[in-house]
Amino acid sequence: AQSVTQLGSHVSVSEGALVLLRCNYSSSVPPYLFWYVQYPNQGLQLLLKYTSAATLVKGINGFEAEFKKSETSFHLTKPSAHMSDAAEYFCAVSDNNNDMRFGAGTRLTVKP
Amino acid sequence: DAGITQSPRYKITETGRQVTLMCHQTWSHSYMFWYRQDLGHGLRLIYYSAAADITDKGEVPDGYVVSRSKTENFPLTLESATRSQTSVYFCASSELRGTQYFGPGTRLLVL
Repeated sequence: AQSVTQLGSHVSVSEGALVLLRCNYSSSVPPYLFWYVQYPNQGLQLLLKYTSAATLVKGINGFEAEFKKSETSFHLTKPSAHMSDAAEYFCAVSDNNNDMRFGAGTRLTVKP
Repeated sequence: DAGITQSPRYKITETGRQVTLMCHQTWSHSYMFWYRQDLGHGLRLIYYSAAADITDKGEVPDGYVVSRSKTENFPLTLESATRSQTSVYFCASSELRGTQYFGPGTRLLVL
C-alpha cells in the first residue's frame, strides 16, 4: 500500500524567503502525487498534482514540486514566501487517483 | 455555484447516539469520499463511493456506515458514537482519476 511521510510538522520562514516542504512517498506502482493546502477552518484545496506528464509540476500561488523517482520524493517549493502562504500543507499519494493516502501535514508559518 | 457542501458544520453529541453527517455535491461527480482529520494523522479515508449504490471501505471504516442512493448525496452515519470518533470530517468528490474537491468540513465532538 502507498504511504507518505512529511518531514517536519512545522516549518517557519521569513517573508520573502524560500519555502521548502518535504514529502517522501512509498508506492508499489507509479504514483499520482498531490499537494493540498488547508487554511484555518476550511477544506483542502489542490495546489498541484503529478501524473507522470512532467517531473516538475507548477501549481497555483507560485508553488511548484519536483518528482524525483530515485529519491522517492515530491518536495514543494516556492521561491519567495508571502504572509498569505501561512497554512497547513498536505502531501498525498494515490496509485489510482481514488484511494489517496495523506501525510500528517506541515504547518507553515511566515514571519514578517 | 454551491460545489460541495456539508451539514451540519458543527455537532456535539453523546456517546452511544447515532449521528449522520450529510454531504451534497452539485457537479454530478461519480466519486465521493469521506475522510476524518486528526492531529498527527493527516486525513484518513473512511469510505468512498464510485457511483450510486456502490461503496467501498477505506483505511478506517470501523464504526461508520455510508449509503449513496443518489449521485449527489453521500451521508455518513456513526451508528453508536464513541469518543474516539471526535474529529473533523471532510467529504470530497471527483471524477474518475480527477482532482478531489473538498467540502468545508464538519467538526464533531462526542462527549
